[in-house]
This record gives sequence, structure tokens and C-alpha cells, in this order.
Amino acid sequence: GAGVSQSPSNKVTEKGKDVELRCDPISGHTALYWYRQSLGQGLEFLIYFQGNSAPDKSGLPSDRFSAERTGGSVSTLTIQRTQQEDSAVYLCASSFVATVFQNIQYFGAGTRLSVL
Amino acid sequence: QKEVEQNSGPLSVPEGAIASLNCTYSDRGSQSFFWYRQYSGKSPELIMFIYSNGDKEDGRFTAQLNKASQYVSLLIRDSQPSDSATYLCAVGGSEKLVFGKGTKLTVNP
Repeated sequence: GAGVSQSPSNKVTEKGKDVELRCDPISGHTALYWYRQSLGQGLEFLIYFQGNSAPDKSGLPSDRFSAERTGGSVSTLTIQRTQQEDSAVYLCASSFVATVFQNIQYFGAGTRLSVL
Repeated sequence: QKEVEQNSGPLSVPEGAIASLNCTYSDRGSQSFFWYRQYSGKSPELIMFIYSNGDKEDGRFTAQLNKASQYVSLLIRDSQPSDSATYLCAVGGSEKLVFGKGTKLTVNP
């Protein structure tokens, strides 16, 4: 596609429910990143995928968070047993590759998650 | 832990003035430097990137990098009200980028 596509744009859920957030990167981009941005805060790195390599999960805040990337393209971020503190905007970005001089990241519009 | 520091602002400048946004970083091995603009309620959009010491100009925007001082800045000339946004500095090595918390800029008509 022309840009990074994320769905849904908004998600309201009840505490304790599981949610899935989807990201479709720019065609041809091999690196994909997930970030979280709480209100008025900076970007918090969650996880990144580079091609077929094992993902870097170092930013995932708890074992309730997981992500997968199928076929090297679309990625799904899953949050199990959601808590109110999970409420934030979840941003996905992609880049051509994850190497110096080619790691310009382009962002999707984000998914605004509200946990009631 | 790699850190990127920005003055949170808000930075307020009159229309037509030069806005100067600053960023320092802790990892001396950093090799790529980015400025993103984020309007309220929107996602970050890339404005500029710079890899080498010195200045890089693109229209009204100039990025300045000083690796010895671990300092990167963004100058916006002839500031416009439409430039009002939060500006995020991002610094990277070979893979991940570390983002600063951003500086909120307000350009007053």
C-alpha cells in the first residue's frame, strides 16, 4: 500500500478482555516496529521485526503483550486481559530495512485503545 | 540506557521568527538522527534526517548535528502557525530508534 495502515483506528474494550491490533506496513519494507504513546508522553518502544529474524521483544511491558508478523508483512499486536493502564495510542511504523542509513521509519495513523 | 533529551516546552515564537529546537543524546555511537513533527491527535511524520556532522537544509528547515557534543537541533525559519506541533527527536544506531519526549512549539500569528 501507499502508507502504513493500522486497524482499528479506535478500540474501546472492557478491563480483562483481549484485544488485537493490526498493522500493514509499506510494501517492500522489511522492518516493522510497534510503539505505545500515552497521553502527553513520548513514544515507548514495544517490539520490532526485521525480515525473518527473531523479533526484538525487549520493550514489551508484560507477558500480557505479544506480537507476531505473518509472512514478513502484516503484524498483529495482542494484549491479553487488558488493564486500564493499557489505554494509549498504539503506533506501528515500518522501514525499508533496520540498518543505519536505511532505517527511516514511517508511521501509521495509530490505534487509540481505551480500556474501561 | 540510551537516552534522548528534549526541552518539553512549550516554546512560543511569533510568526515569521526562527524557531530553534534542541536535542541531546547519551549514546556516543549513535549514527542516525531524525526529526519528526506530530500534530495533536495525529501520528509522527518525518521532517528531516541527518547522518553527518554539520548542517542539512530542506526548505525552511535546517537540521544541525554535532556528534562531538552529542547534540542535534532543528531550525525552522519564517515560522508559520501551521508549524505549531510537537517535534520529536529520534536517534539511532543500526536498528532501533530512541525517541525524545518532544518539544511543543506554538507559533503565534
